[in-house]
Amino acid sequence: DAKTTQPPSMDCAEGRAANLPCNHSTISGNEYVYWYRQIHSQGPQYIIHGLKNNETNEMASLIITEDRKSSTLILPHATLRDTAVYYCIVGAIQGAQKLVFGQGTRLTINP
Amino acid sequence: DAGITQSPRHKVTETGTPVTLRCHQTENHRYMYWYRQDPGHGLRLIHYSYGVKDTDKGEVSDGYSVSRSKTEDFLLTLESATSSQTSVYFCAISGTDRETQYFGPGTRLLVL
Repeated sequence: DAKTTQPPSMDCAEGRAANLPCNHSTISGNEYVYWYRQIHSQGPQYIIHGLKNNETNEMASLIITEDRKSSTLILPHATLRDTAVYYCIVGAIQGAQKLVFGQGTRLTINP
Repeated sequence: DAGITQSPRHKVTETGTPVTLRCHQTENHRYMYWYRQDPGHGLRLIHYSYGVKDTDKGEVSDGYSVSRSKTEDFLLTLESATSSQTSVYFCAISGTDRETQYFGPGTRLLVL
């Protein structure tokens, strides 16, 4: 079973920041938080990951709470092409990276 | 985009027939994975490989076998396909940093 809890769906207006929450209250000290997204029926796409510090890349920002029990993925200026299912995953980097996908959040960007 | 291809992209087969799906990478990555995705569900790991001839089971491995005779190819075989194996199958790869997985385009399999 997935170790994360995400809202099943969210809406956001185009051009606004999309903030996607994720709860991972049972995260272990050596586990990272990963975010992937899946656009329509394509293969999932890596977005960002972090351990305890906030992270930013060209796609998004990841804010992890100090107790690491929750995080937020931020898409700063959402576009219609950001409409997708977003998966929050926790896992350790030990041997193969066996990702456990939950149901994710279906994010719809509205014009 | 990472160089991952899957073949075939679509396949229709009958119950009881063997089926082999191929994943090919041009990135020379060590780790390769097979997932399946059913409607309304996230991806579930079937098998993975951590090197040539080194494979292990994932969450839903029953009814599937895999082989990796070369770094670039990872084969998933359904020895005797069943209707419950109708699904979309995704291959993924990751490098030695294991921080990021890159996914292929998927194979849609329909077992009648």
